[in-house]
Amino acid sequence: DADVTQTPRNRITKTGKRIMLECSQTKGHDRMYWYRQDPGLGLRLIYYSFDVKDINKGEISDGYSVSRQAQAKFSLSLESAIPNQTALYFCATSVTGQLYNEQFFGPGTRLTVL
Amino acid sequence: QQQVKQSPQSLIVQKGGIPIINCAYENTAFDYFPWYQQFPGKGPALLIAIRPDVSEKKEGRFTISFNKSAKQFSLHIMDSQPGDSATYFCAASIMKGTSGSRLTFGEGTQLTVNP
Repeated sequence: DADVTQTPRNRITKTGKRIMLECSQTKGHDRMYWYRQDPGLGLRLIYYSFDVKDINKGEISDGYSVSRQAQAKFSLSLESAIPNQTALYFCATSVTGQLYNEQFFGPGTRLTVL
Repeated sequence: QQQVKQSPQSLIVQKGGIPIINCAYENTAFDYFPWYQQFPGKGPALLIAIRPDVSEKKEGRFTISFNKSAKQFSLHIMDSQPGDSATYFCAASIMKGTSGSRLTFGEGTQLTVNP
């Protein structure tokens, strides 16, 4: 089984709908992240969490919210989806205290907002 | 504002060629520079990383060259193979303090290695 899983893998929705993307990990890592990937823009950090009680905004948090339900679960919500939120979304994990900040990514969720 | 700029956006080489991908950064506080490799339909995965106290790091056919004074670093792939075809992202981070987990990524380079 994959260490970092994301659901759904693909989602098509309409403008104004509320959407939740879910991420689960079995790696036992304490740190979790949400990124979006757009062609020509690379990966941009939306939110990150160092533990269950710690949530931090990234570069592009406007229009998004997150919930860290447990150490292993980190959800991303779009309260009212808009077309420019169409992108590939990745969840990632890492562990505090490692020498190098290696992040482990999930397989991604492709979101289309019509 | 893109703190890490990557070029080229796409690159096509023949098998056996040596593709070179370049990155430049602005923040002199960055002290960790990884490269991530992403295959179609997959998430990125760490390929190789360097700290600024060395000018070069090799792992197999992959080499990072680092120029601290110019604030630039690059990825070289020796004897490239079709299986190296992927998107490559450079990144930078400040390892100390609470921001130690934040990676700032470049725009990505789509590499194609033709047989």
